[in-house]
Amino acid sequence: NAGVIQTPRHKVTGKGQEATLWCEPISGHSAVFWYRQTIVQGLEFLTYFRNQAPIDDSGMPKERFSAQMPNQSHSTLKIQSTQPQDSAVYLCASSSRGAETLYFGSGTRLTVL
Amino acid sequence: QQQVRQSPQSLTVWEGETAILNCSYENSAFDYFPWYQQFPGEGPALLIAIRSVSDKKEDGGFTIFFNKREKNLSLHIKDSQPGDSATYFCAASGPSGSWQLIFGSGTQLTVMP
Repeated sequence: NAGVIQTPRHKVTGKGQEATLWCEPISGHSAVFWYRQTIVQGLEFLTYFRNQAPIDDSGMPKERFSAQMPNQSHSTLKIQSTQPQDSAVYLCASSSRGAETLYFGSGTRLTVL
Repeated sequence: QQQVRQSPQSLTVWEGETAILNCSYENSAFDYFPWYQQFPGEGPALLIAIRSVSDKKEDGGFTIFFNKREKNLSLHIKDSQPGDSATYFCAASGPSGSWQLIFGSGTQLTVMP
């Protein structure tokens, strides 16, 4: 069991560029969660999928952010026209038991210059 | 408005002492309270959790004390070791069956040898 795999580990983009972050959940887990972590805001919930269907995206900024889960083996978080305030560590987690146990990946550190 | 609050923001204890981390919450519907431990460069990992029907949960040197009436809980780390130095997040979920986890802002614990 390799755990939740997130790629890339680090990404640097220029202001206005697009960033796509990848997550491979633990095999057999039915839910995938995305969180954003910053020093100021802490761990912010963004969105989650269950059985590949989007269930709750209440934490997603309405513009520029989108998430997909095209198959059970990966999910993507896309940020269009990145801004410096998007700089953060983006964490993906998967679960087979709802909120009881989330298994987090190591995160993608996004830096927008 | 933060639904889950943690204090202190940072805590330093000496090796062998008991570290006490505090957490409070707003939503009476929360019924599941996990604590996650995060080391630099890694994602958070589940450490210990308690349900609102219990007032105490122990696992090794980690103990959660829960006060439903006061809507607060604390994590006690007995005989702290330098390897326990990490950031600890209190989280909450509920009502039962909810798949969303709300995190506090974290307590950075440093254990001095």
